[in-house]
Amino acid sequence: GAGVSQSPRYKVAKRGQDVALRCDPISGHVSLFWYQQALGQGPEFLTYFQNEAQLDKSGLPSDRFFAERPEGSVSTLKIQRTQQEDSAVYLCASSPRVWEDNEQFFGPGTRLTVL
Amino acid sequence: AQKVTQAQTEISVVEKEDVTLDCVYETRDTTYYLFWYKQPPSGELVFLIRRNSFDEQNEISGRYSWNFQKSTSSFNFTITASQVVDSAVYFCALSELSYNTDKLIFGTGTRLQVFP
Repeated sequence: GAGVSQSPRYKVAKRGQDVALRCDPISGHVSLFWYQQALGQGPEFLTYFQNEAQLDKSGLPSDRFFAERPEGSVSTLKIQRTQQEDSAVYLCASSPRVWEDNEQFFGPGTRLTVL
Repeated sequence: AQKVTQAQTEISVVEKEDVTLDCVYETRDTTYYLFWYKQPPSGELVFLIRRNSFDEQNEISGRYSWNFQKSTSSFNFTITASQVVDSAVYFCALSELSYNTDKLIFGTGTRLQVFP
C-alpha cells in the first residue's frame, strides 16, 4: 500500500513568512509524529498525535510552531514568522498502534529553506 | 536522561568487508525499545529493526545482524560482506515506555561509505 507522503517536498520561504507542511500518514495508522532534522544531525522529536489528540508537543521549539490533525488522519505543521534557524528537513512518521506495533514509517520529508 | 550515542561519525570500507556500527544508549526506564533506521541519499528513513528491552537475543537478517547487550547498554549493528548499496547514514534510536508518547530519540548517525 501507499507509504507516508508529505507535501511540498521543498519549500523556500522569506524570513517572516508563514508556512504549512502537510503529512498524509499510512491509512489506518493511529500514531503520527513530526520530527525536525537539521543538516548532519539525527531527527529531533517535535510533536505526537494519537488519532486527533495531540498528546505530546514537548519538542516544539517555540510558540511559532503549531500542529494539528483534526480528523485523525492528515496532519499539518504550521510555522509562523519563519526564521533562518527553522531551515531543516521536517519529517512525518506514522505507526499502527502504540507499543506492540510501534515501528514508525517515515515520509520523504519537506526541506524548508528560510532566506 | 535518555540519550543515544553513535560515536562513529563516518566509516569507509571496501566492498565485501564486514563493518560494525556502534550504538550506546542511556535510559532510566526498564522497559524500552531500540531501533535502527537507514537513511540513503534519497533522504527517506527506512526501518530496519526493533528490539524490546526484555529480548536480548541477537538477531540476523540476511547480511545484517544486531547485538543487544543490556550490561553495556549497547545495540550494535553489523553488516557482513558490505555492498555499495549499503552506503547510507544509519541511525540508532530509543523509545521509552510512556503513557502519552512513543517518540524516538535518535543518535547523530553514522555515515557508511562502501567503495567498490
